[in-house]
Amino acid sequence: EAGVAQSPRYKIIEKRQSVAFWCNPISGHATLYWYQQILGQGPKLLIQFQNNGVVDDSQLPKDRFSAERLKGVDSTLKIQPAKLEDSAVYLCASSLRRSEVEAFFGQGTRLTVV
Amino acid sequence: DQQVKQNSPSLSVQEGRISILNCDYTNSMFDYFLWYKKYPAEGPTFLISISSIKDKNEDGRFTVFLNKSAKHLSLHIVPSQPGDSAVYFCAAKTGANNLFFGTGTRLTVIP
Repeated sequence: EAGVAQSPRYKIIEKRQSVAFWCNPISGHATLYWYQQILGQGPKLLIQFQNNGVVDDSQLPKDRFSAERLKGVDSTLKIQPAKLEDSAVYLCASSLRRSEVEAFFGQGTRLTVV
Repeated sequence: DQQVKQNSPSLSVQEGRISILNCDYTNSMFDYFLWYKKYPAEGPTFLISISSIKDKNEDGRFTVFLNKSAKHLSLHIVPSQPGDSAVYFCAAKTGANNLFFGTGTRLTVIP
């Protein structure tokens, strides 16, 4: 079974530029999550999708971050414009359904904003 | 507001001995607690979980203990192996299926 795929693995951009991350969850997984992990901290939930609908985006800085999950499969997370404090690893995770305890994580995208 | 706390950033243990990783939480509404293991440059991988209605769950060398009155859980690894060296994250789940993570404990198992 293929795992959660994310790209790119690494990205360096200048502040005020825009960036996008892509995630392909495990086939058949209805629930998709985006997490932000700042160095030295645990992952923090940004947004949760159930199929192509947003379930929770209360922690998403909506003035600069946006995410979509068209057709309920792949998802993209965008930051525009980026700030220095957005430097982090962005993790995508998926689970079979919302009630599932375990979520499967991708390798993450390490973003550095300079 | 850190709802899940791991107060030990690192732990070193001799191979074959027991590793005990601790976690405290503040929200009594959490219904599941999970431990994730993370190797460098990889995403976290699920290790073991426990329901809030239980006090112990065991899976091979890994056992998680939950003390609800103290809002404390611990992960025991016995015997510890060098391949267990990784960062361990404690996480707690709400009914809305949101995971709240601790800051992690780096375990080093010394051969």
